[in-house]
Amino acid sequence: AQTVTQSQPEMSVQEAETVTLSCTYDTSESNYYLFWYKQPPSRQMILVIRQEAYKQQNATENRFSVNFQKAAKSFSLKISDSQLGDTAMYFCAFMKHVGGSNYKLTFGKGTLLTVNP
Amino acid sequence: DTGVSQDPRHKITKRGQNVTFRCDPISEHNRLYWYRQTLGQGPEFLTYFQNEAQLEKSRLLSDRFSAERPKGSFSTLEIQRTEQGDSAMYLCASSLGTGGRSNNEQFFGPGTRLTVL
Repeated sequence: AQTVTQSQPEMSVQEAETVTLSCTYDTSESNYYLFWYKQPPSRQMILVIRQEAYKQQNATENRFSVNFQKAAKSFSLKISDSQLGDTAMYFCAFMKHVGGSNYKLTFGKGTLLTVNP
Repeated sequence: DTGVSQDPRHKITKRGQNVTFRCDPISEHNRLYWYRQTLGQGPEFLTYFQNEAQLEKSRLLSDRFSAERPKGSFSTLEIQRTEQGDSAMYLCASSLGTGGRSNNEQFFGPGTRLTVL
C-alpha cells in the first residue's frame, strides 16, 4: 500500500514571497503519478500540478513548480510570488498507473497555507 | 457541462436514518470515484466505477454503504443506518479512464457535507 506524508500541518507566507511545501511518499510501484491539489476554503479541490514518475524533469505550471526526487521519494511544491488567492489547503497525492489506466488517489493529510498581506 | 456536480451540498440527519447522495460527473468521463474527507484529513478513497461497473471498494466501505452507477452516468452513494462516525465530507470525482495526456486528472465536485446527530 502507498502512503503519503505531509509533515507541515500549517504554513504561512507573506504576499509576493516564495514558499515550499513538503511531501514524501512510500511505494513499491515503479510507474506512478504525483499531484498537488488545492482546496480553497469552502470550495472544491482543483489540480495544481502533476508529475509523471518516469520523467526526470520537474513539472512547472506558471508560479508553481515541483522538486521531484524519485530516489528519496520526495515531492515538494514551490509557490513563487505568493498571492492572497493561494490561501488554501494543499494536498499531495499519489496515483499508481496500471495498464495504461489511471487509478485511485492516495492523499496526504494536507498543509494549510495562509498568505498574509 | 461545467464540471462535476453533487447533490445535496449539505445533509443533516439523525442517527439511524438512511441518506443518499448523488454525483453527476463530467459527461464524457467514464471513471467515477467516491472519497470521504473527515476534518483535518485528506480525502480517503471509498470506491470507483468504470462506466457502470464498480471495480474496487475500500475496506472503509462497510456493508452499510452502497454505491451505484446505473447506465454509467450519474452515481449514488447510500448510507444505511447512519452513525455519528459517518459525519464527513463525501467527495465525488471523475476522469477519463484511458488515453490522452489528461486521462490521469481527476476532477472533483464540491462535495456533500453530512452531519449525523
